[in-house]
Amino acid sequence: NAGVMQNPRHLVRRRGQEARLRCSPMKGHSHVYWYRQLPEEGLKFMVYLQKENIIDESGMPKERFSAEFPKEGPSILRIQQVVRGDSAAYFCASSPSLTYYEQYFGPGTRLTVT
Amino acid sequence: AQTVTQSQPEMSVQEAETVTLSCTYDTSENNYYLFWYKQPPSRQMILVIRQEAYKQQNATENRFSVNFQKAAKSFSLKISDSQLGDTAMYFCAFMLMTGNQFYFGTGTSLTVIP
Repeated sequence: NAGVMQNPRHLVRRRGQEARLRCSPMKGHSHVYWYRQLPEEGLKFMVYLQKENIIDESGMPKERFSAEFPKEGPSILRIQQVVRGDSAAYFCASSPSLTYYEQYFGPGTRLTVT
Repeated sequence: AQTVTQSQPEMSVQEAETVTLSCTYDTSENNYYLFWYKQPPSRQMILVIRQEAYKQQNATENRFSVNFQKAAKSFSLKISDSQLGDTAMYFCAFMLMTGNQFYFGTGTSLTVIP
């Protein structure tokens, strides 16, 4: 059973460009979570999605950030018009239904904004 | 609001010795989970150990054990017989049983010295 997959592992964007981060959950997992890790900090919750639904986006910045988890395909975290402060590692986790504490993390995408 | 505090930014230990990492948390809730995660240089988040707050017995996992003091809201991690592969960032984390997101501390960087 493959683990949580994230791609790309490293992404470089210039200020003002768009960043798209992809997450494929573990097989059989229908819940996806996105976390952001700024330099020298712990992971901070951004958003929790189930297939085709955003359940909790209390940690998402109000502007420029969006997330989706379509019926088919990976979950996407999109950052529009990136700024230097968006440089961070973005982690995706997935869990089976209703066992939120069993979140399995992907390897992360390191976004660098130049 | 839930907060997690790790007051030791860096620690080191001689190989084969024992080290204890500290963590305190704050919550007004009674039912929750506590976790320790390891993040090696690869940045992959790896679950080390989990403790349910309703369990009085401290969790153990091979060389890893916790000292859970619910009244003091303290959750320390003890690593016995430290190995070079234990070198990593260690994050303490908290999750409400009614919630769906982790709250992470800022981490402790542990170096095992040969």
